[in-house]
Amino acid sequence: DQQVKQNSPSLSVQEGRISILNCDYTNSMFDYFLWYKKYPAEGPTFLISISSIKDKNEDGRFTVFLNKSAKHLSLHIVPSQPGDSAVYFCAAREMNRDDKIIFGKGTRLHILP
Amino acid sequence: EPEVTQTPSHQVTQMGQEVILRCVPISNHLYFYWYRQILGQKVEFLVSFYNNEISEKSEIFDDQFSVERPDGSNFTLKIRSTKLEDSAMYFCASNLMNTGELFFGEGSRLTVL
Repeated sequence: DQQVKQNSPSLSVQEGRISILNCDYTNSMFDYFLWYKKYPAEGPTFLISISSIKDKNEDGRFTVFLNKSAKHLSLHIVPSQPGDSAVYFCAAREMNRDDKIIFGKGTRLHILP
Repeated sequence: EPEVTQTPSHQVTQMGQEVILRCVPISNHLYFYWYRQILGQKVEFLVSFYNNEISEKSEIFDDQFSVERPDGSNFTLKIRSTKLEDSAMYFCASNLMNTGELFFGEGSRLTVL
């Protein structure tokens, strides 16, 4: 039962271009969404989040867009840099269940020189 | 910068043996979590812990699993009788407030033979 789906296992993007990572969810009780980044042999690192009352949140090169009606969110990275090569996890939290974050399977992003 | 530390980094054990994975969360954090990632799969929630008790646990967290905060600094995950399918990377995480923005350790890789 995948409540958070990342349908692209991997993505390759040229350095300097925009990287767009997509995520779909099925649970309408989710009210908070997060993106985490993970390098090999390290734990996930929090990147950016968005509340369900917003449709966009921006932090430097990273922007997260939320389309509640489509139950879809995306992470935009622009411009993409070599250090952005990592696995990106979409995650979500259910309303009134603050203690449980549900993760997707991740998308491996390769930034090409 | 404060970080979550986990030991051991890798443990190999025989099926049926007990395993204890240890974590030292960031010192002023109040919420503690264990997640695991089976190779190639998503990061799965196991348990959350606050105010010296479990606040939420997943279906995976059955009677074979237990958590403890024996002193003011350590947070442990015990698996009483390991099974082959317990082989995974186990991540400890903590945060100060219940925001979903978790700070993860580097993980403990458990291999059950």
